Amino acid sequence: QSVLTQPPSASGTPGQRVIISCSGSSSNIGSKDVYWYQQLPGTAPKLLIYRNNQRPSGVPDRFSGSKSGTSASLAISGLRSEDEADYYCAAWDDSVSGRVFGGGTKLTVL
Amino acid sequence: EVQMVESGGGLVKPGGSLRLSCAASGFTFSSYRMNWVRQAPGKGLEWVSSINTNSKYKYYADSVKGRFTISRDNAKNSLYLQMNSLRAEDTAVYYCAREGGVVEEGFDYWGQGTLVTVSS
Repeated sequence: QSVLTQPPSASGTPGQRVIISCSGSSSNIGSKDVYWYQQLPGTAPKLLIYRNNQRPSGVPDRFSGSKSGTSASLAISGLRSEDEADYYCAAWDDSVSGRVFGGGTKLTVL
Repeated sequence: EVQMVESGGGLVKPGGSLRLSCAASGFTFSSYRMNWVRQAPGKGLEWVSSINTNSKYKYYADSVKGRFTISRDNAKNSLYLQMNSLRAEDTAVYYCAREGGVVEEGFDYWGQGTLVTVSS
């Protein structure tokens, strides 16, 4: 059972906009920054979003993050087949003094 | 080019020990916090441990506290994870990940991972 809750799956058609949610609590998302990672099949994770809504250099602006209260979300617009991957949210959690990840959301591009 | 290469994984019996290494290059290793993150087969990511730049602060997931020890050697640009009293549930790919800099607490570079299998 992950500390951060994500839907196990999401899907969309090419060109669509998809939103992946991440729910936490006051000890993590409610008081800390949220980070999002993309993991393509058979590869190491890649940082997509840092500090809730910032994109590292090289990440397309089709990817955006937001946070409100104890929840966060990752939006992917103009969905492409290459976006098919697992997506994870993460945050520091004061109650465990450690980093926590969501369980991951498998995105399927139909 | 930033590179991190893990090594030391393998098959070990329950109760055994293993030491993972992560060799870093292409950046000033001593300026970044470092982490270990693992992924059990077919499962999600699990943060394992982190260490600050001068080794003064170390943090561990509850699942490994008291059994695993993180360390670093800035002179050798290397990160380590000593794993003792290994259990079947420690079976996973172990990644080292760089934290800090522009992306603050984000893990912006990851190694390719090393597989640890705990089985009799």
